[in-house]
Amino acid sequence: DTAVSQTPKYLVTQMGNDKSIKCEQNLGHDTMYWYKQDSKKFLKIMFSYNNKELIINETVPNRFSPKSPDKAHLNLHINSLELGDSAVYFCASETWGEETQYFGPGTRLLVL
Amino acid sequence: KQEVTQIPAALSVPEGENLVLNCSFTDSAIYNLQWFRQDPGKGLTSLLLIQSSQREQTSGRLNASLDKSSGRSTLYIAASQPGDSATYLCAVRPRGAQKLVFGQGTRLTINP
Repeated sequence: DTAVSQTPKYLVTQMGNDKSIKCEQNLGHDTMYWYKQDSKKFLKIMFSYNNKELIINETVPNRFSPKSPDKAHLNLHINSLELGDSAVYFCASETWGEETQYFGPGTRLLVL
Repeated sequence: KQEVTQIPAALSVPEGENLVLNCSFTDSAIYNLQWFRQDPGKGLTSLLLIQSSQREQTSGRLNASLDKSSGRSTLYIAASQPGDSATYLCAVRPRGAQKLVFGQGTRLTINP
């Protein structure tokens, strides 16, 4: 009965590859987010979707393409992976207008 | 641009002590402020949320205060326990923005 789940939990890949991370929430929320936590532990917003529509894109390279097939899912596809993409990626969700965001466990991406 | 700073970056104290974690933010136009806990290899858990109109919130041994005019918040932990060891993150929701802006966290270690 996990509230916000992400797959995979760990992802090790070579530079130049394309990979996807999936996020699902079963809380009935209408807003979902992707955050990136770098090696210095800074968490920064990447994208926000409300009712499957993109509402925030925080100067993320266009190699990153989020996709929201429905309100419960927000996936992140990354093309041509670079060393600097190594980080922990967190998905979060909330109901628009309510204030508490619920976070997934994170996906640890290592680009070699 | 909103920036959030947390001091200290790391803190180690003996079990049983009361302690204070600090958070400061540069723009007082916030909707609310949240304190999160992050355990190693895990996602974030919301601890306390303070609305911009509130001065403090309490949950068990935790008390968070907010001084919006000075751009400061503190998280007070009473009678610390080894289970409190984690990274504590402060995040503000800027007014008019559907996102959270995080500090870099304080890594807390409680020694038995």
